[in-house]
Amino acid sequence: QVHLVESGGGVVQPGGSLRLSCAPSGFSFSDYAMHWVRQAPGKGLEWVALITYDGTYEYYADSVKGRFTISRDNSKNMLYLEMNSLRAEDTAVYYCAKERTGYYIENWGQGTLVTVAS
Amino acid sequence: DIQLTQSPSFLSASVGDRVTITCRASQGISSRLAWYQQKSGKAPKLLIYAASTLQSGVPSRFSGSGSGTEFTLTLSSLQPEDFATYYCQQLNNSPFTFGPGTRVDIK
Repeated sequence: QVHLVESGGGVVQPGGSLRLSCAPSGFSFSDYAMHWVRQAPGKGLEWVALITYDGTYEYYADSVKGRFTISRDNSKNMLYLEMNSLRAEDTAVYYCAKERTGYYIENWGQGTLVTVAS
Repeated sequence: DIQLTQSPSFLSASVGDRVTITCRASQGISSRLAWYQQKSGKAPKLLIYAASTLQSGVPSRFSGSGSGTEFTLTLSSLQPEDFATYYCQQLNNSPFTFGPGTRVDIK
């Protein structure tokens, strides 16, 4: 059974940094691309980033490009999202998500809340 | 970047109704589209991928169709557990954008 557990959320001041982690289990992590998706309070889903199964390629939303970095450590079975220069508009629940194939999102974590406020 | 629009943004329907939600892409995305259902306070759930393929375990009353720029999600007979918000997402080109969502409420 696939399980994705995010951690690292919290309250951070504008301009600050935060690192989210995702611990996957129940599947062969190194075989699948992984996404980060966020949802601001009361708003819709916003795709944030994707990393291919081997970490070769990374893709980003325009709103986070140059500020966020997605990475993975297949030897440790971990996915990360390094977030820098945080803004109020980055406030959201951040979901770690696994593809099924073709990048379609098959499994989601429970989410971790990031609040950017002074 | 590819923009997705959904219509309607909100609909009110009764149990047993047939419901259709449309997703339009600003440029052709072949069949690289998924539909998700999200209930309040929960993570989304994959319903349909590749525009028309039903995800394992999803009831057959859900169906998807379309290709290119216009896609539809149809619920053949709305059930109480189907009241939720539905999102489309294109996986053809990065950034892999979501539509704004369609909220389905009880009439």
